[in-house]
Amino acid sequence: ETGVTQTPRHLVMGMTNKKSLKCEQHLGHNAMYWYKQSAKKPLELMFVYNFKEQTENNSVPSRFSPECPNSSHLFLHLHTLQPEDSALYLCASSQDIREFYEQYFGPGTRLTVT
Amino acid sequence: GNSVTQMEGPVTLSEEAFLTINCTYTATGYPSLFWYVQYPGEGLQLLLKATKADDKGSNKGFEATYRKETTSFHLEKGSVQVSDSAVYFCALAHSEAAGNKLTFGGGTRVLVKP
Repeated sequence: ETGVTQTPRHLVMGMTNKKSLKCEQHLGHNAMYWYKQSAKKPLELMFVYNFKEQTENNSVPSRFSPECPNSSHLFLHLHTLQPEDSALYLCASSQDIREFYEQYFGPGTRLTVT
Repeated sequence: GNSVTQMEGPVTLSEEAFLTINCTYTATGYPSLFWYVQYPGEGLQLLLKATKADDKGSNKGFEATYRKETTSFHLEKGSVQVSDSAVYFCALAHSEAAGNKLTFGGGTRVLVKP
């Protein structure tokens, strides 16, 4: 596999469920990101990790819990979500967090909360 | 704070027509500017970028010039193809921000008809 992969591609979960989204990058990058893409809002940055350390939490509710066990993998653990959390969740990576390094995006996980 | 405003879509064009998508930004200092493209079912891909005033980014027949005096970064293509149908996002990365944080516009959906 090359680039940034995300699994699952589609997920339907109830409000009481616990699920996890997975992101893996095969680019040798050190920084990874979670974004939320909602239908009516601009793309929103959620979390940033650099060398496995979280450097940014953009006021994300605690029902979203990220985990970065190594520079190649990023997880987003989901618990007691709300219907308004339904969105496309995009993962991205870059060489590091300096602004001139391009971010490479995965295809996203389409999440529906029922 | 930083913000990006781009024209709302959808923009519907015939093949070989000229495409312009307007983008203006608000930021202090000297941001870098980007256009990302999202094809159906895929993640975002960097289309082009410009890192300082008067720079012109270009790729795949698309161009955009960083205009500091008008705080704009309009995307243009002289002759679109059906394969250019996608959602286009204007974004900025602030040169003084901590970390590689992109601020996105709302996206413009472009539909090119044969």
